[in-house]
Amino acid sequence: QVQLVESGGGVVQPGRSLRLSCAASGFSFSDYAIHWVRQAPGKGLEWVAIISFDGSDKYYADSVKGRFTISRDNSRNTLYLQMDSLRPEDTAVFYCAKDRGYCTSTSCSPSLDFDYWGQGTLVTVSS
Amino acid sequence: QSALTQPASVSGSPGQSITISCTGTISDIGTYNLVSWYQQHPGKAPKVMIYEVSKRPSGVSNRFSGSKSGNTASLTISGLQAEDEADYYCFSYAGSISLFGGGTKLTVL
Repeated sequence: QVQLVESGGGVVQPGRSLRLSCAASGFSFSDYAIHWVRQAPGKGLEWVAIISFDGSDKYYADSVKGRFTISRDNSRNTLYLQMDSLRPEDTAVFYCAKDRGYCTSTSCSPSLDFDYWGQGTLVTVSS
Repeated sequence: QSALTQPASVSGSPGQSITISCTGTISDIGTYNLVSWYQQHPGKAPKVMIYEVSKRPSGVSNRFSGSKSGNTASLTISGLQAEDEADYYCFSYAGSISLFGGGTKLTVL
């Protein structure tokens, strides 16, 4: 079965960096785009970033552009989110979510919606 | 770009139907048929209920349906059940970025 397991969250001071990981299993990781989505405590969901199946295309929400970097290692079935210059307002549970994908016999294109989510990892930015 | 606009809360009695609206702009919902809806119970990860405006994933009850008119998408839940009580979020592609709605808390009375 599809599994997405986030790790790397914790408490970090403002201005510092943190790298999140998302270990994927149960599907052909290298065929699908993957997203990061976050949720501040008691607040709604916020889309953060997407990376294409091969890592060649990356898009970010305006709120994290220039500070966060999404990447993937298809040989390790792992997604990453490098977060620099962290701010208190970045405090949130961060989820990785698999793009459902439009798949043919040869390839998948992003469908820009999610069919599987991890359980999330909490990032707290505080001095 | 701003988040999509949803009502903060809706409520209904068991067996009734409710509709949650999600209003965007011509730059997102109005242009793309890439609207999806997610249900989230407290402390849990979200679950997809509708994708591509009105398509239902395998395993999701046919009591859930979606539609779109102009810049507004809607999620309708018929035959309300206690387990439908949750937060609901719409999501739309907006051309290189994507946006969630602010979320709607559904209370089953």
